Formats: sequence, C-alpha cells, structure tokens
Amino acid sequence: ESVLTQSPGSLSLSPGERATLSCRASQTISSSNLAWYQQKPGQAPRLLMYGVSSRATGIPGRFIGSGSGTDFTLTINRLEPEDFAVYYCQQSATSQVTFGGGTRVEIK
Amino acid sequence: QVQLVESGGGLVKPGGSLRLSCAASEFNVLDKYVNWIRQAPGKGLEWLSYIGSNTRTTYYADSVRGRFTISRDIANNLVFLQMDSLRVDDTAIYYCAGGDYGIAEFWGQGSPVTVSS
Repeated sequence: ESVLTQSPGSLSLSPGERATLSCRASQTISSSNLAWYQQKPGQAPRLLMYGVSSRATGIPGRFIGSGSGTDFTLTINRLEPEDFAVYYCQQSATSQVTFGGGTRVEIK
Repeated sequence: QVQLVESGGGLVKPGGSLRLSCAASEFNVLDKYVNWIRQAPGKGLEWLSYIGSNTRTTYYADSVRGRFTISRDIANNLVFLQMDSLRVDDTAIYYCAGGDYGIAEFWGQGSPVTVSS
C-alpha cells in the first residue's frame, strides 16, 4: 500500500495569497495515477486535478498541479474566497487506492 | 448531466448488515470504474473498494476485505456495497464515486451509516 502524507495539515492564508500544498508518497507513483480533490463543509469532494497536472472540467487556471516520483504539489495562485476548503491527494498506482490525510486551507 | 445517488444507509447494530445502492444516470456503470469511499465524522477520506469497467474486477481496502462486497446490476445501472459484520468504527458517510481508472470524477451526495448499539 502506498501511503500519502500531506503537509501542512492546515494553512492559514488571506485571499489573494498563494497556497502551496504538498503530497509525499511512500513509493514512486506514475504521474497518471495522482489526483487532487477539494472538499467544502457538508459537501461531497470534487475532483480538481488528475494525472498530476490536468485540471478537471470547470477548474480554473489558478489551480496548478506539479511533481513526479514521490513528491507532488498543488499550488493555488491568488486564493479566492471559494478556495478555502480541505484538499486531498489520491493515488491509484496500486490496486490499493489511498488518500492523503488532507490539508485544510483556512482564511487568515 | 451525470448523477450518482446513494441510498440504503441508516442505523445498524454492531455485527449487523446493510446494503448500499448507487444509482447512476447519464453514466454507464459498465463503462466506468465505480468506487465506494467513506468519511468518518471529522475525518478524512478512506477508499474502500472499486469495481472495474467492462470486467468483474474488484478490489478492497484491507480494512473491509472479507466483510464488504461490491457488485453491480448492469440492467438497472446500479452499484451495490454489501456491508456485513459491521463495527462501530464503520460509522461514516459513504460515497459512491465514478470515472475512469483512478479518477473519481463524479460523486454522489453520500449516505450516512451509523453503527451503534
């Protein structure tokens, strides 16, 4: 099983700032098998990125995914009020799909 | 537009069983992967199982293997999660989510399951 460790656990930022979220895997992951999700309180998660850097339908360009191997990053440029949420990375490189523990992006 | 709707959740005693259903519209459960994912109160996401597109391939997380069974009804475009030997720590919101392999593009609204005596 590939364990995903997300850091930081929470991030306190102001609208307009940049958020940098990290996802580290315990073993190498093919880029095609890394995705990011956003979840707001009381809602189901929403797919943000897949294949590391491909944005899902309707996701704005301020969301940028990068990385390879075991280290992956989700960058959110110029935070908008609707971006404050919890973000999860997910790997599907093995048949045991796993999620990271999540990073909460809070309004400062 | 694609819609996934879970049903079948509720209150059950430890050791009991429940069967969750995921009804899909504008989404063919045979052509896509369908996952079950849960979220315990105040916790993160936990992947449980998926059933593969065009195959009967199924995979399970270690935490539920042997207790949960995923299946589908192609004729009615449904996916099920049979949950047996339920434990208190199975209490969570259960989501079905589908898409291409490894990509949970479409999500249901979730079905709450509470395991308590």
